[in-house]
Amino acid sequence: DGGITQSPKYLFRKEGQNVTLSCEQNLNHDAMYWYRQDPGQGLRLIYYSQIVNDFQKGDIAEGYSVSREKKESFPLTVTSAQKNPTAFYLCASSPTGKRHSPLHFGNGTRLTVT
Amino acid sequence: QKEVEQNSGPLSVPEGAIASLNCTYSDRGSQSFFWYRQYSGKSPELIMSIYSNGDKEDGRFTAQLNKASQYVSLLIRDSQPSDSATYLCAVTAFGNEKLTFGTGTRLTIIP
Repeated sequence: DGGITQSPKYLFRKEGQNVTLSCEQNLNHDAMYWYRQDPGQGLRLIYYSQIVNDFQKGDIAEGYSVSREKKESFPLTVTSAQKNPTAFYLCASSPTGKRHSPLHFGNGTRLTVT
Repeated sequence: QKEVEQNSGPLSVPEGAIASLNCTYSDRGSQSFFWYRQYSGKSPELIMSIYSNGDKEDGRFTAQLNKASQYVSLLIRDSQPSDSATYLCAVTAFGNEKLTFGTGTRLTIIP
């Protein structure tokens, strides 16, 4: 079955440690995205990539980094510079990355930093 | 003013009734509009997209777009308990490939 796989589902880290969240898709979609969701808030865009080896900052990129070395993969690293990293992280993809192209989401990773 | 606004709810609707969810947006150049449903603890799933003024129907769901008034709504007919979820409105502006999400409306269908 085609889809987007995020791993792990739950992740616990100590403050000051970097952590990498995995996102893999087998939908052959060009564009991939990372969103963050906090309780009572909408989804906020962290980074997005419309093509391999290229990505752009979203609205809240500070303290995060990404790479897009393969079309299928778009890992997100939460660095120790991110002030408030505990959140629900959602990876998404879309066929073209154009504005008419809807997003398909993975199941999310819930990160807790203590 | 937020770019995409939704009433956070909760909105309670009796089973079998019509649930009406509203969303307003600030950018008059917005061109693509989406409704996502998100169950508690789960990821959002796309239920409707609409790009031109008027109504678009898909089963029990109808999306309505009025660009002059800058609002988009979602009607759910014959509401079922399984429709209880948070509904997210998302908008893409002209010349901007990024989706902007509202904070969502929590809908509860009362049996």
